[in-house]
Amino acid sequence: AQSVAQPEDQVNVAEGNPLTVKCTYSVSGNPYLFWYVQYPNRGLQFLLKYITGDNLVKGSYGFEAEFNKSQTSFHLKKPSALVSDSALYFCAVRDGSARQLTFGSGTQLTVLP
Amino acid sequence: EAGVAQSPRYKIIEKRQSVAFWCNPISGHATLYWYQQILGQGPKLLIQFQNNGVVDDSQLPKDRFSAERLKGVDSTLKIQPAKLEDSAVYLCASSEGLADYNEQFFGPGTRLTVL
Repeated sequence: AQSVAQPEDQVNVAEGNPLTVKCTYSVSGNPYLFWYVQYPNRGLQFLLKYITGDNLVKGSYGFEAEFNKSQTSFHLKKPSALVSDSALYFCAVRDGSARQLTFGSGTQLTVLP
Repeated sequence: EAGVAQSPRYKIIEKRQSVAFWCNPISGHATLYWYQQILGQGPKLLIQFQNNGVVDDSQLPKDRFSAERLKGVDSTLKIQPAKLEDSAVYLCASSEGLADYNEQFFGPGTRLTVL
C-alpha cells in the first residue's frame, strides 16, 4: 500500500526567507510524486511532479522539489517566500501498480509580511 | 482553456435527503475523478472513470453513493440518503489519460453540509 506523510500541519516563514514544506512517502515500486496547492474556496492546483530523471524538479511560481530516494522524501522548496504563497499544500504519490493518487493531510503555509 | 466546472458550489441538506453534484471536465480529458475532502484531510478518491467506464470505485460507499458518466464527458455524483458524516467538499478532477504520471486538474469543488 502507498502512503504519504506531511509531518507539519503548519509552517510559518517570513517574507523573503526560504521555505520548505516536508513530505515523505512509502510505495512498493517506483514513485510518481506530486505537489498541489489549495487556496481558500478553490480546488487543488498542480505545482510540480517527479517522474524520473533529475532529482531536482522545478515547477510553477518559483517552487521546486527535491526527490531523495534513500530518505523517501520529496520536500517542496522556494528560495524566497511571498505573502501570496500562503495556502494549503498537499503532497501526493502514486506508484506504477496503483490506480489511485494518495494525498497527504496537507501543510498550511503562512508567509508573514 | 476552460478549467473543470462544478455545480453547485455550496449545498446544505438535512440528513436522509438526497443530493447530486455535476462536473464538466476539461475538453478532451478522458479520465475523470471524484474526490471527497473532509476538513483537515487530503482528498480521498471516490471513483475514477476512463471515458464512460469505471476504472476504480473501491472506496465509493455504494450503498448510498452513485456516479455516472454516460456520454464520457460530464459526470454526476449522487448521495442518497445523506448522512452527517458526508459533510465535506466534493472535488472533481480530470486528466488527459490513465498514465500514472499525468497531473490532475481540479474543479473548485462543492461544499456539502448535512444537518
